[in-house]
Amino acid sequence: GENVEQHPSTLSVQEGDSAVIKCTYSDSASNYFPWYKQELGKRPQLIIDIRSNVGEKKDQRIAVTLNKTAKHFSLHITETQPEDSAVYFCAASSASGTYKYIFGTGTRLKVLA
Amino acid sequence: DAGVTQSPTHLIKTRGQQVTLRCSPKSGHDTVSWYQQALGQGPQFIFQYYEEEERQRGNFPDRFSGHQFPNYSSELNVNALLLGDSALYLCASSGGGQKQYFGPGTRLTVT
Repeated sequence: GENVEQHPSTLSVQEGDSAVIKCTYSDSASNYFPWYKQELGKRPQLIIDIRSNVGEKKDQRIAVTLNKTAKHFSLHITETQPEDSAVYFCAASSASGTYKYIFGTGTRLKVLA
Repeated sequence: DAGVTQSPTHLIKTRGQQVTLRCSPKSGHDTVSWYQQALGQGPQFIFQYYEEEERQRGNFPDRFSGHQFPNYSSELNVNALLLGDSALYLCASSGGGQKQYFGPGTRLTVT
């Protein structure tokens, strides 16, 4: 069935270092890949997304890369700051039907000051 | 421009009871999806409503049902509550595309 695997489950980095979170999806029909940041007790917030016709997208300190052949996509955060500490979720959505999201299991990122 | 809103914020119910959760989509959005997020897990798709019809359902039992009203707001109903239904229930709205915006969620505790 449809599945998204996400690694690592926890990630600690020193402030100013980079963080990378990786996801793998199973449904070859997936064509849209959003990333959400969820702080404790708050709603998931969309931070960046990428479509399957693009290999990389960047927004200031955040970038996402997509390898359609390998069905991998990754989130890159550079120059991390303490306020980047949160749980990050990747998701995959198919162009067919309802565009429902299949989420990864999340990565808890801790940025150490 | 109001974002997605949900009510109530928190809810405590007893096993066997029934619960109704509510969602108002972002202005201009006509599609509402519901997700269940257990502690420490990613959100799991329950179902999606569009034009007042359930368009697709995830792997959830019939105890989970929903409704969408003409103003696009939506309800999630859960019957015969189980302890395992304790979770954060998230509503997400979209407006014809794949980008979904989430509400703050309703924290349901079943005792």
